[in-house]
Amino acid sequence: QSVLTQPPSVSAAPGQKVTISCSGSSSNIGNDYVSWYQQLPGTAPKLLIYDNNKRPSGIPDRFSGSKSGTSATLGITGLQTGDEADYYCGTWDSSLSAWVFGGGTKLTVL
Amino acid sequence: EVQLVESGGGLVQPGRSLRLSCAASGFTFDDYAMHWVRQAPGKGLEWVSGISWNSGSIGYADSVKGRFTISRDNAKNSLYLQMNSLRAEDTALYYCAKANGYSSSSTSVGYWGQGTLVTVSS
Repeated sequence: QSVLTQPPSVSAAPGQKVTISCSGSSSNIGNDYVSWYQQLPGTAPKLLIYDNNKRPSGIPDRFSGSKSGTSATLGITGLQTGDEADYYCGTWDSSLSAWVFGGGTKLTVL
Repeated sequence: EVQLVESGGGLVQPGRSLRLSCAASGFTFDDYAMHWVRQAPGKGLEWVSGISWNSGSIGYADSVKGRFTISRDNAKNSLYLQMNSLRAEDTALYYCAKANGYSSSSTSVGYWGQGTLVTVSS
């Protein structure tokens, strides 16, 4: 069981918007920055969002991140079939002294 | 261009050892913390270990503490993971990852290798 809680799956139609939640506690999300990673089938994870809401160079602004208290959210607008992937949230947990991840959310673009 | 190339994976019997390596290029290696993250077949990401830029701070997941040792050689731009007393549950694809900061608690990771597969089985 993962320290951070994500929905196992989400789905939406092309062009629509979807949000993926990530719930934690005061020792992790409530205490540090959250990052989001996209993992396309058969590939290594890719950084989408860091420091809660910043996008690395080359990541389109269709991807956004936010954090409130002990929860974080990844938003994706203008969904494309190429966005079908597993998405993971992650942050440092000060109680565990460990980098913790959510269990991952599989996005299906119908 | 940042490149991280893992090596050293393979099939190993339970209880035996294996040493993974990660060759880094395209950035100033000794400016950044590094991590090992693994992914069991069909499962999610699991952090294994992290090391600060100067090896002054090191951390391990509880699942590997006492069995795995992370190290780095800044002169060789290389990261290592010595894995002892391997178990079936250590079977996974092991990724080398470059943190965006210098601390071992820096979990914003901008670059990942392609991974090296470790299979623990008799």
